[in-house]
Amino acid sequence: DTGVSQDPRHKITKRGQNVTFRCDPISEHNRLYWYRQTLGQGPEFLTYFQNEAQLEKSRLLSDRFSAERPKGSFSTLEIQRTEQGDSAMYLCASSTQTENTEAFFGQGTRLTVV
Amino acid sequence: KNQVEQSPQSLIILEGKNCTLQCNYTVSPFSNLRWYKQDTGRGPVSLTIMTFSENTKSNGRYTATLDADTKQSSLHITASQLSDSASYICVVSAADSWGKFQFGAGTQVVVTP
Repeated sequence: DTGVSQDPRHKITKRGQNVTFRCDPISEHNRLYWYRQTLGQGPEFLTYFQNEAQLEKSRLLSDRFSAERPKGSFSTLEIQRTEQGDSAMYLCASSTQTENTEAFFGQGTRLTVV
Repeated sequence: KNQVEQSPQSLIILEGKNCTLQCNYTVSPFSNLRWYKQDTGRGPVSLTIMTFSENTKSNGRYTATLDADTKQSSLHITASQLSDSASYICVVSAADSWGKFQFGAGTQVVVTP
């Protein structure tokens, strides 16, 4: 296992289209996190899962955003009817459920909405 | 208002010199504080994690300190190298929601020859 993997690395889409990103966590990690980062800012929390359960969801995650982790392994983040304001880096991270454990981030998916 | 504030926003240092980055937070109740290094266009990479009872932790040339009473942390980089050029991000977790990380905006460090 080489770490957290995200796909695609880059995505350009037209406004109004739907996009889906995938995250494969480190295999023994049962916690998975999604964050969004805009240029020059720190990442903002979107949501996180413990196994297949979505434990917390930010109010930043509007009705157009949905995240799933159906089998407690990989996760998908879907954005419907994309807007230019959705342009950002979408980061996924994973960890064990032990408090104070290290969280490992993927390389991110860069979304550009034109 | 962001619960994690970092300073300075950016700094330029000469290769071989030391520097110190600051992080103030209001996240409560406190669980842990992390420092991450993020290269441009890449995901963050963990440098240190500290809990309430830890005052200092080192990772090579990186040394982090934590004062949980004043809610302040610092990251000291010793003998900087060109590869240290990156954004350094302070991340705090609350004890009642430790799965939700609160990120600072980061300090952009540029190391020049």
